[in-house]
Amino acid sequence: NAGVTQTPKFQVLKTGQSMTLQCAQDMNHNSMYWYRQDPGMGLRLIYYSASEGTTDKGEVPNGYNVSRLNKREFSLRLESAAPSQTSVYFCASSERGGRGSYNEQFFGPGTRLTVL
Amino acid sequence: QKEVEQNSGPLSVPEGAIASLNCTYSDRGSQSFFWYRQYSGKSPELIMSIYSNGDKEDGRFTAQLNKASQYVSLLIRDSQPSDSATYLCAVNSDTGGFKTIFGAGTRLFVKA
Repeated sequence: NAGVTQTPKFQVLKTGQSMTLQCAQDMNHNSMYWYRQDPGMGLRLIYYSASEGTTDKGEVPNGYNVSRLNKREFSLRLESAAPSQTSVYFCASSERGGRGSYNEQFFGPGTRLTVL
Repeated sequence: QKEVEQNSGPLSVPEGAIASLNCTYSDRGSQSFFWYRQYSGKSPELIMSIYSNGDKEDGRFTAQLNKASQYVSLLIRDSQPSDSATYLCAVNSDTGGFKTIFGAGTRLFVKA
């Protein structure tokens, strides 16, 4: 099993360009997440998908959109990239999130994005 | 006030010693607590989870939880240079259940 995979691994964009970060998991997990990690700030939740067909905002959703394409795939789109979106982006999945669940999350390798 | 607080370190311990990592959290409704290890340039890896007060041991790792004090810790016994990494404390509130808050992490160096 590959676990959680992400593409691309690295990306450089110019301000105003758009791109989509791809994430897929093969663990049959119901819930998926997108985080960004900035120095000294820890991981911050951008969006999550509790289950196939649902998405919800996390702590820092502005400037991003997501699509839960199917149970395996969860993509993150930057419509008009800004330098403030320079960060490392991690996708994660858990068997089941929600009230009463343990929500142990497993992370992909990350995408290092630079916006010039 | 940060929701999950950790000392950023670095914490330096000699090989073979016990490393003690601490974390406090602000949401009294929190139900699940996790420790992730993150090597430089890599993704977080779940190493321990704890859900009830007390100690939970797994190999050289022991997680300790005290909900009354809103405190969770990780002890690493017989520390090895390969344990050198950043350790992230994460707390999952039962409210909604999807919001996991991560601390900024503590950098640990184990000197050979």
